[in-house]
Amino acid sequence: GENVEQHPSTLSVQEGDSAVIKCTYSDSASNYFPWYKQELGKGPQLIIDIRSNVGEKKDQRIAVTLNKTAKHFSLHITETQPEDSAVYFCAAGDFNKFYFGSGTKLNVKP
Amino acid sequence: GAVVSQHPSWVICKSGTSVKIECRSLDFQATTMFWYRQFPKQSLMLMATSNEGSKATYEQGVEKDKFLINHASLTLSTLTVTSAHPEDSSFYICSAPGTASGRGIYEQYFGPGTRLTVT
Repeated sequence: GENVEQHPSTLSVQEGDSAVIKCTYSDSASNYFPWYKQELGKGPQLIIDIRSNVGEKKDQRIAVTLNKTAKHFSLHITETQPEDSAVYFCAAGDFNKFYFGSGTKLNVKP
Repeated sequence: GAVVSQHPSWVICKSGTSVKIECRSLDFQATTMFWYRQFPKQSLMLMATSNEGSKATYEQGVEKDKFLINHASLTLSTLTVTSAHPEDSSFYICSAPGTASGRGIYEQYFGPGTRLTVT
């Protein structure tokens, strides 16, 4: 199966700063790359996704970039807010079946 | 509101007993659902793909006789942990792809999870 690596495992930023989380994947056939936010004791929620025919996608303060040649993709959160604090997971695969990275705990300090 | 539900949200059982966890898509039909397990402070590990009307397909290393999956209808999949042991204690999460009414987006919806504790 797909092997997804995610860095960093923890990230602390000051409110208003930007946060960047990076992931790499191993299977060149992967064509779907979602990002999920998980709060303690809850299921993950989709925050943004990107497909392999697109290099970048943006939704308000959140953006994702994809480099298929290098097999890596990144999540960028600008103007971070305390409510952005959570665990973020990247994933790679196809839409119906994907594999998660190890997660990044983001702490936004007010 | 939630589009995928799980029941129960938490369960405690004794070692050696079996536990059934339900996953329901609330306002869309799903021919496929997925089951994950998550240990504390770790990632979600895909366990199996639940297929309506046919056998589930399991990821490598997952014991199919230990984790029985039944996709009884287009809105319900169940995961039964048989002869549970303390090492089976985990957070179990299901997901289903679909388009929830009012949302207009086709995506994978995740359930809220079920915390299983085996004593």
